Amino acid sequence: EPEVTQTPSHQVTQMGQEVILRCVPISNHLYFYWYRQILGQKVEFLVSFYNNEISEKSEIFDDQFSVERPDGSNFTLKIRSTKLEDSAMYFCASSELGLAGEDTQYFGPGTRLTVL
Amino acid sequence: DQQVKQNSPSLSVQEGRISILNCDYTNSMFDYFLWYKKYPAEGPTFLISISSIKDKNEDGRFTVFLNKSAKHLSLHIVPSQPGDSAVYFCAASNNAGNMLTFGGGTRLMVKP
Repeated sequence: EPEVTQTPSHQVTQMGQEVILRCVPISNHLYFYWYRQILGQKVEFLVSFYNNEISEKSEIFDDQFSVERPDGSNFTLKIRSTKLEDSAMYFCASSELGLAGEDTQYFGPGTRLTVL
Repeated sequence: DQQVKQNSPSLSVQEGRISILNCDYTNSMFDYFLWYKKYPAEGPTFLISISSIKDKNEDGRFTVFLNKSAKHLSLHIVPSQPGDSAVYFCAASNNAGNMLTFGGGTRLMVKP
């Protein structure tokens, strides 16, 4: 069964450093997403991406964050200058159609980001 | 932001019995609802969904019920199995976009 994959599974970084989290969405999916879950809190939407553009973003997704689809398979989330509060599980998701109100998003296993 | 709420943080059920997980929402613009299951150190796994034009959707042991007037949905698992033990999240989206809004999760423990 096709699945979303993410690398690395765990990333430890120093505050102020840049990190890039990588995702390979399901191959025939066109819509890509990043979510995060801070320990003990809800899963929160960060950004959605379609046709090489951001289609939606939350208030969390500020100028420190960026997303990119550098090739035909990878989808990345970059945090330019990490803060302690960026420590969280980051989940990538993808969906086939992106039809508002009808589409199912499939999630990867997550990357645990620890900022020291 | 409490647009989607799961008021029971945990639920314990005997194997073979029914598990009922509940979810309430406040945003009347939500029109698509999903349930995900999550094991530790894994991502959410899609279980079942329901569109707001329906009040019930069934898939094997899993049934989701939607009561739009009460802004309430529930997931029924019958019969419950020990392998169902996990955290269950409900999520919702609206016709204005694709973002999912998640509830806080309910930890289900199915005892053999």
